[in-house]
Amino acid sequence: DAKTTQPNSMESNEEEPVHLPCNHSTISGTDYIHWYRQLPSQGPEYVIHGLTSNVNNRMASLAIAEDRKSSTLILHRATLRDAAVYYCILRDGGGGSQGNLIFGKGTKLSVKP
Amino acid sequence: EAQVTQNPRYLITVTGKKLTVTCSQNMNHEYMSWYRQDPGLGLRQIYYSMNVEVTDKGDVPEGYKVSRKEKRNFPLILESPSPNQTSLYFCASSLFGAAGAYYNEQFFGPGTRLTVL
Repeated sequence: DAKTTQPNSMESNEEEPVHLPCNHSTISGTDYIHWYRQLPSQGPEYVIHGLTSNVNNRMASLAIAEDRKSSTLILHRATLRDAAVYYCILRDGGGGSQGNLIFGKGTKLSVKP
Repeated sequence: EAQVTQNPRYLITVTGKKLTVTCSQNMNHEYMSWYRQDPGLGLRQIYYSMNVEVTDKGDVPEGYKVSRKEKRNFPLILESPSPNQTSLYFCASSLFGAAGAYYNEQFFGPGTRLTVL
């Protein structure tokens, strides 16, 4: 699986938008971009995923660069409950996967009231 | 409520005493998996199962066993626990196995914190 690079930490104010970047310059054409987050003392939680087009769901938006070498997870209005470690993960759509998610160090997001 | 449950949530044991951590999902998922999470190492896959009676090793399987006799359950067995298995363990499941592994979301349990003395 191709590697991703994320900032170690970011800070945000409550009710403001948050843009969490992820670089994946070696992404292949069949790699899907997934985001998970892990709240303190909880298991990881799926946030969103996409392949080429931007994606929206009730939790967040995913903006994917045209060359697919980077992406940005957007939380439109951060709440205190959004404080977590956010992981950007590439998953090979070419098949043959053992299905595991390869978690890097992620970005620790702090949200200030 | 759709969920993955794990028991126990916390366990302190001694070296060599066999233990089982149970994992159950109520979503009729084919794929189930165990991860361990250690500081500085992130989450690493121990074992996974594509469906009933089909299990395979993940990245760190040494010292662990699993079984998948029923679709909903995927217990993790430590036959002779050692202190280096002190960790936070997560069970996860997703709808499909290999074919859909790349786009299926995985649902994680709440975790089991194991300490081996």
